[in-house]
Amino acid sequence: DVKVTQSSRYLVKRTGEKVFLECVQDMDHENMFWYRQDPGLGLRLIYFSYDVKMKEKGDIPEGYSVSREKKERFSLILESASTNQTSMYLCASNPAQPYEQYFGPGTRLTVT
Amino acid sequence: GNSVTQMEGPVTLSEEAFLTINCTYTATGYPSLFWYVQYPGEGLQLLLKATKADDKGSNKGFEATYRKETTSFHLEKGSVQVSDSAVYFCALRNNNNDMRFGAGTRLTVKP
Repeated sequence: DVKVTQSSRYLVKRTGEKVFLECVQDMDHENMFWYRQDPGLGLRLIYFSYDVKMKEKGDIPEGYSVSREKKERFSLILESASTNQTSMYLCASNPAQPYEQYFGPGTRLTVT
Repeated sequence: GNSVTQMEGPVTLSEEAFLTINCTYTATGYPSLFWYVQYPGEGLQLLLKATKADDKGSNKGFEATYRKETTSFHLEKGSVQVSDSAVYFCALRNNNNDMRFGAGTRLTVKP
């Protein structure tokens, strides 16, 4: 069964802290993605990766970075968390073909 | 650029009512179209998909037909249940592997 896991379901951090969100998939997928989900805005792509050590900016990369050292793991890093980064963060992966994405359960991050 | 527009919610229906959630898209080329569902507290799950014009995707009583002439992919179900209460997202993927999501429509079904 396809599985994408995220390290935390809920996280509370203080402004200025460095935050790591981890995502692991067990399907040997090439492509991995980080989105944030906000009410009325749907899902917005932050970063994605087509292969190990490769990364591409999505629509809203500012304030974020990513790391993909192993094929199964894709980390999202908030270098200095700010209150406007309070959101639901969703990780997804898909194989090269077909294109449907598989999602993790999400991490609800609150920055105070 | 590619984009998806879906009807704003929330949508509230009684059990056994007919459901339609409208979705239209703008895209270059020939995108694949998807409906995802998000149940409370969970991530998104693929509900159905269609990869070319006139294809009909179906799953769990839900259906959507890829209409290239109207650039639409409306989601329908003949008789909704309380367990269908969720947020529904329309999405497209173009040939460049670029995925775009609509804003989501929250459906609440009352007994």
